Amino acid sequence: GAVVSQHPSRVICKSGTSVKIECRSLDFQATTMFWYRQFPKKSLMLMATSNEGSKATYEQGVEKDKFLINHASLTLSTLTVTSAHPEDSSFYICSARDRPTANEQFFGPGTRLTVL
Amino acid sequence: AQSVSQHNHHVILSEAASLELGCNYSYGGTVNLFWYVQYPGQHLQLLLKYFSGDPLVKGIKGFEAEFIKSKFSFNLRKPSVQWSDTAEYFCAVNEDPLSGGYNKLIFGAGTRLAVHP
Repeated sequence: GAVVSQHPSRVICKSGTSVKIECRSLDFQATTMFWYRQFPKKSLMLMATSNEGSKATYEQGVEKDKFLINHASLTLSTLTVTSAHPEDSSFYICSARDRPTANEQFFGPGTRLTVL
Repeated sequence: AQSVSQHNHHVILSEAASLELGCNYSYGGTVNLFWYVQYPGQHLQLLLKYFSGDPLVKGIKGFEAEFIKSKFSFNLRKPSVQWSDTAEYFCAVNEDPLSGGYNKLIFGAGTRLAVHP
C-alpha cells in the first residue's frame, strides 16, 4: 500500500515552455501532498505544501507564479513549471500523506526535468 | 528554525565493516525522525522511523537507529555493510502534528556511502 506515482519520469523541454508534472496517490487518498526539489548531489528542499481543494503553501524563496501547484482531487496534484529556464533543471519529487495528522510521507519516484 | 545536520558527507567502507552515520537536529519540541535511502537511480525509500516508545528502532535491511533525546541525535547504524548498501542516506525530521507541530519534513544534506567489495 501507500504508493505514489509521478508522471513523466523524465522530461526535456525548450527554454520558455511550460511543463506539467503529475503526482498521484494510487491506493490512498492524499489530503496533503508535498513538492520537493533535489539539486545534484544535494538534499531535498521543500518547495510547497499542497492541500486538496485549497491554495498551496509555498516555502520562502519559491516563486508561486513560476511553480504552479494544483491539488484538485484527493489523488492528484500537479506542478507546472512555467516559462522554464535552464536553471529550473532539477529532480522534482512529490510525497503524500493520507491524513492531516499523519507522521509519515510516501514519496514518488521523482521527475527529472531538463530545460535546454 | 528547524535544521538537520548530517556530519558525514561521504563515507567509504569495505564490506563487513560497521557503519554509523550521524544525524543531529535542532528543535525543542516533540519530533518524528526518519532515515531514508536513495539507491543510485532510484527514488527515496524509508529505512526506519521513530515516533515514540523504544528509542532503539530497527528498520529494513539490518539497519537500526537510536534516538537520544538529550543529544538531539538519531544516528543510523549497521553492524556489517554490504556492497548493495552503496547509496545516499538522508535523515529527516518533522514536528509531531499531534503535538501541535507543523508537519513539514526537513531533510539533512545526505551522506553518500560507498561500500567496496
